[in-house]
Amino acid sequence: TQLLEQSPQFLSIQEGENLTVYCNSSSVFSSLQWYRQEPGEGPVLLVTVVTGGEVKKLKRLTFQFGDARKDSSLHITAAQPGDTGLYLCAGEGNDMRFGAGTRLTVKP
Amino acid sequence: NAGVTQTPKFQVLKTGQSMTLQCAQDMNHEYMSWYRQDPGMGLRLIHYSVGAGITDQGEVPNGYNVSRSTTEDFPLRLLSAAPSQTSVYFCASTTGTINEQFFGPGTRLTVL
Repeated sequence: TQLLEQSPQFLSIQEGENLTVYCNSSSVFSSLQWYRQEPGEGPVLLVTVVTGGEVKKLKRLTFQFGDARKDSSLHITAAQPGDTGLYLCAGEGNDMRFGAGTRLTVKP
Repeated sequence: NAGVTQTPKFQVLKTGQSMTLQCAQDMNHEYMSWYRQDPGMGLRLIHYSVGAGITDQGEVPNGYNVSRSTTEDFPLRLLSAAPSQTSVYFCASTTGTINEQFFGPGTRLTVL
């Protein structure tokens, strides 16, 4: 079983603050994805990272894939209320495995 | 394109009843999958299909059946619903070679 652990489970911050959430596993993944999910909706893909050590930026979001392709982080700069949601990581191995998510609340 | 559509949006069943959750996609994706999402457990793969006529089991297949007669449709069947199947169910379809999944809006199922 390829277990993905996400931390923290919950995060509540003020608008303008920076934050980092983590996705860790003991397994190696061929790729790793980050999704954001809003209440009552399905997850929406934010980014896919494939290469160990890869860093991708999407506006204020920075995604990093660990060198060993076992872990990943998502950093948000100057968080906004619109960033509020459930952030999920998913690793591609024999199939797709999801972490339980980090529920982020950004207060205005 | 409508993307991935799921019906119904909400459903309440009694223990032992059967039902089919519908999923359709209009993106001509070969790979489709069903997940369930429970609090604190993330999404868990139930069944998946790599193309019409081909299905396989995921992490939690017990109590669920699937079939894939066309590229567009991938229904999920509960033959005898149990309270443990109370969950939110998501269908997804995938493009490309690195499994970038597009999810439907979900079906919230309650089994009493």
